[in-house]
Amino acid sequence: EAGVAQSPRYKIIEKRQSVAFWCNPISGHATLYWYQQILGQGPKLLIQFQNNGVVDDSQLPKDRFSAERLKGVDSTLKIQPAKLEDSAVYLCASSLVQTGELFFGEGSRLTVL
Amino acid sequence: AQSVTQPDIHITVSEGASLELRCNYSYGATPYLFWYVQSPGQGLQLLLKYFSGDTLVQGIKGFEAEFKRSQSSFNLRKPSVHWSDAAEYFCAVVIRGSNYKLTFGKGTLLTVNP
Repeated sequence: EAGVAQSPRYKIIEKRQSVAFWCNPISGHATLYWYQQILGQGPKLLIQFQNNGVVDDSQLPKDRFSAERLKGVDSTLKIQPAKLEDSAVYLCASSLVQTGELFFGEGSRLTVL
Repeated sequence: AQSVTQPDIHITVSEGASLELRCNYSYGATPYLFWYVQSPGQGLQLLLKYFSGDTLVQGIKGFEAEFKRSQSSFNLRKPSVHWSDAAEYFCAVVIRGSNYKLTFGKGTLLTVNP
C-alpha cells in the first residue's frame, strides 16, 4: 500500500515570496491533515479536512496561509507571502477513521531567507 | 490549561539499557493517548495507542506504555534499547468528541550510545 506522498521535499525561498506544497493521501482515507513542525517543537495542526470540507482551521494563519482539497483527494497548502518564522517542516497526514491514528508523509522542509 | 507535557527534552541511554520516556496530560477527561516516533528526516510513525481497557498497551518495535489515571501519565518503556531506536518521540492526545484533533507534546530526543 502506498503511503502519504508529499512534494517538494525541500524548498528555499526569500521572505515575501510564495510557496506551495502538495499532498496525496493514502487511497480511501477521508481525513487529511496539515501540520507545521518548527525545529525543537511538536507538530502543530494547521488544518484538517474531512473529504473536501474543512473540519478545523483554527490555527491556520489565514492572512498568509491557504489550503484546499479539491475532489476530496489531493491537497495543496500555500503560503503567500512567506515570513522568516514560517521556516519549518510541513507534514501531511491522512487517516481512514477519526481516532487519532494518523499516517504521515515524510514532510516538506521550508527555509525562508 | 489543557496540555501535553514531555518533561525530558533529551535523553541518552546506552545500547541494551532500559528506557522510560515520560508523558503527562492535563485535560478534564481521559483523552485517547498515543506515542509517535520520528526518525531523522522522516515523517511520524505510530508506536502505540490507548483508547480504553487494559492500561498496559503493547506497540511495535518492542515498546509498551502504561496509562495511569491517578497520575495523568502515559509513559513509554522499552526493556532493552537498540541503536536503531535513536529518534524523537512524541506523546499525543485526542480529546474525545473534539473532531479528533491530535495534539502533540514537544517531544523527547533519544540518543543511544554504543
